Amino acid sequence: DVKVTQSSRYLVKRTGEKVFLECVQDMDHENMFWYRQDPGLGLRLIYFSYDVKMKEKGDIPEGYSVSREKKERFSLILESASTNQTSMYLCASQGNTEAFFGQGTRLTVV
Amino acid sequence: DQQVKQNSPSLSVQEGRISILNCDYTNSMFDYFLWYKKYPAEGPTFLISISSIKDKNEDGRFTVFLNKSAKHLSLHIVPSQPGDSAVYFCAASANTGNQFYFGTGTSLTVIP
Repeated sequence: DVKVTQSSRYLVKRTGEKVFLECVQDMDHENMFWYRQDPGLGLRLIYFSYDVKMKEKGDIPEGYSVSREKKERFSLILESASTNQTSMYLCASQGNTEAFFGQGTRLTVV
Repeated sequence: DQQVKQNSPSLSVQEGRISILNCDYTNSMFDYFLWYKKYPAEGPTFLISISSIKDKNEDGRFTVFLNKSAKHLSLHIVPSQPGDSAVYFCAASANTGNQFYFGTGTSLTVIP
């Protein structure tokens, strides 16, 4: 059974904190993605990676960075958390025909 | 600029009736389309896909129709069940393996 695992289901962080969201996949996929989901806005792409140590900006990269040191792991970093980054964060690992999502991390920044 | 659009944010349907969810796209290079289903506090799960060489794909109660000339696809659920209540996202890509572009989602409520 294929799996994409996000390190936390729920997180509460303070404004200004550095936040790490971890994602691990076991499908040996090269392509991995970070999205955020907000009501009425759908899934918006933050960053993606097509290979180890490669990263590409998505539609809303501001305030975020990523790290891909190993093929199976793709990390999203909020450099200095702000309240407008309160959201559901979704990691996806993509093969040729389908993207597999993790269970999501509900991040609240207070 | 939103390349994949779902213009109905929500839809309510009686149990047993047909649910029709619609999706429009603007990029004529898109040739592969998917539907995902998402429950609250969970990640989206794959439902059904269609390649541009087809105009219909069926899987049990779920059928996806593609109208390339209109740049429109739809998901039909027949019969609808309360467990189908979820947010449905359509997605599209140009060549399999490339980035998927997602719509804004339609929240389906199936009323028992």
